[in-house]
Parts: sequence; structure tokens; C-alpha cells
Amino acid sequence: TQLLEQSPQFLSIQEGENLTVYCNSSSVFSSLQWYRQEPGEGPVLLVTVVTGGEVKKLKRLTFQFGDARKDSSLHITAAQPGDTGLYLCAGAPRGGQNFVFGPGTRLSVLP
Amino acid sequence: IAGITQAPTSQILAAGRRMTLRCTQDMRHNAMYWYRQDLGLGLRLIHYSNTAGTTGKGEVPDGYSVSRANTDDFPLTLASAVPSQTSVYFCASSYDRNTEAFFGQGTRLTVV
Repeated sequence: TQLLEQSPQFLSIQEGENLTVYCNSSSVFSSLQWYRQEPGEGPVLLVTVVTGGEVKKLKRLTFQFGDARKDSSLHITAAQPGDTGLYLCAGAPRGGQNFVFGPGTRLSVLP
Repeated sequence: IAGITQAPTSQILAAGRRMTLRCTQDMRHNAMYWYRQDLGLGLRLIHYSNTAGTTGKGEVPDGYSVSRANTDDFPLTLASAVPSQTSVYFCASSYDRNTEAFFGQGTRLTVV
């Protein structure tokens, strides 16, 4: 059983569409990170959220941390082919343990 | 260019052989990590080091060992490789524990 679940596992959409991917857990996290990974590369950090209810925007990407700090969402507006990749969430459990990663959402944006 | 470097980029290894994956960072980060990435399972932590001279076990440490003799280097050793260790291995570093992690390009290891 994974500490972090992500949904959907796979998503294929057309350019210009909007989408939301989710990261969920039954545990509370002190912070949560989102990474994007492209084929043949290591993950690259997109954002870190720390406060329950926090919303951060990065151009067309909007990240939200749940009020109870157990879940997070990533919304992409007007997706572009350059958004294609594996989106990973990673949470820092309370108690100072190391980050744990979710299994990822693989996004494909078709031109 | 500052960053984190892994070697080799790929390797085919006979079962039972010993193998060391190398990882070097030049960002003077305190913490370093080794993950394996398998389809559908995401990144799983093998071992970590919060500072030079210390190491700790992650989620899947069996069959692997690490050392952290200095700040820059964090090698991962497979003492006797088994096919279940076929995976993509990523080394990462961060300034402190649980701050932004910077990842290497990965090592694709196939144990046959």
C-alpha cells in the first residue's frame, strides 16, 4: 500500500484542454512537492506547498494543498504538448521522515 | 555546469556480480538520496544521507549499501545483483532534508 496515491494514472488530452490531477493520502504531511519528469531525465521540482489551503500558480499550472494537508491537486489550463510528462507528488510526513513519492500521473498532450 | 552527475548511464549486469553506481554533486548539498523507479511504483527511497559521514535506510534498502565519505560523493553498491534489482536508479541531493531535491539523469540497470 502506497502512502500517496495519484489519479488518474494515465491521461491523454488534446492541446488546449484543461485538466486536473490529484494526489491523495490518509496521512498528514508537513509539506508537499510536485515534480515533472520527462523521458530519460530525472524529476524537476515545480512547486512546494506548505500551508493547508495554500494555492500557488506557475504560469498555466495551479497547485492547491488541501485544508487538512492530506491531499493536493494540480490544474493545468490550456494544456500544451510541452506539458507532456510524468507528474509526481512527494510528501514529507510529519515527524521528520524523508519525502515519499506517489506513483505519478503520466500526461500526454496531443497537438 | 553545477549539478548532480551519475555514472554509468546504463549497464547490463550478470546476476551475482558486484556493481557500484556513482553519484557526485557540486552544489555543496548536505543531503543525498538514492531512489529506484519502477513502472507503477514511482520513486522508492533506497538509502539516504543527511550529512557527510552519516547514512540511513530508506523504504527498500535490502541488497544495497551506501557510503558518504565526503559531501560530494554518494556511491550505491549492489553486493550481489539479482534480476529484481533491474530498474532505473536516480541519485538526488538537497540543501537540507526535505527541501528541493535535484536529481541526476538516472542509471538504467538490467540484471540478467
